[in-house]
Amino acid sequence: NAGVTQTPKFRILKIGQSMTLQCTQDMNHNYMYWYRQDPGMGLKLIYYSVGAGITDKGEVPNGYNVSRSTTEDFPLRLELAAPSQTSVYFCASSLPSNTGQYFGPGTRLTVT
Amino acid sequence: GNSVTQMEGPVTLSEEAFLTINCTYTATGYPSLFWYVQYPGEGLQLLLKATKADDKGSNKGFEATYRKETTSFHLEKGSVQVSDSAVYFCALSGHGSSNTGKLIFGQGTTLQVKP
Repeated sequence: NAGVTQTPKFRILKIGQSMTLQCTQDMNHNYMYWYRQDPGMGLKLIYYSVGAGITDKGEVPNGYNVSRSTTEDFPLRLELAAPSQTSVYFCASSLPSNTGQYFGPGTRLTVT
Repeated sequence: GNSVTQMEGPVTLSEEAFLTINCTYTATGYPSLFWYVQYPGEGLQLLLKATKADDKGSNKGFEATYRKETTSFHLEKGSVQVSDSAVYFCALSGHGSSNTGKLIFGQGTTLQVKP
């Protein structure tokens, strides 16, 4: 049981480039989430999904897009990267009950 | 809206000292409350949780009690170890049929334990 896996671990992008952050979970969780963590701050929710084909915006969705074609995968797309998107990105998953979320190891992204 | 406030860090303690990290929240209804821990270079791990008033969550010697009257969920440990050095996050999740499990986090408190 790998839990939540994320790729890549690190990435440097130039301003205006695009990329996809991958997230996969093998726990058959319906709910999945993307957060960003800026230095000295808590995590802020970017997008979330309550099941395949269903996604919704979180607190800070601008500049990002998501899709959820399967239960296992929840990729996050950055279009036209900007320096303000330099952050650490965490994917998480959970069951529909309030039992807590399982987090991936994170992707550290730098936009220069 | 819902929010979580944690005490400012960093907190520096000697090994075997008593730990308290304060957390207060603002929420409508009856949220679930969580403490997560983040070790250097890693993702967050669920440390403990409480889903209703007066519940006590506990794990690995850490405890926190859901106090609705003071809207608090303070984290405590009787004797910290060097290996407890990490960033601790308090978080809440809404309650009810529309709940989607979304978490609202505090800003995190860094704990450093010295031998």
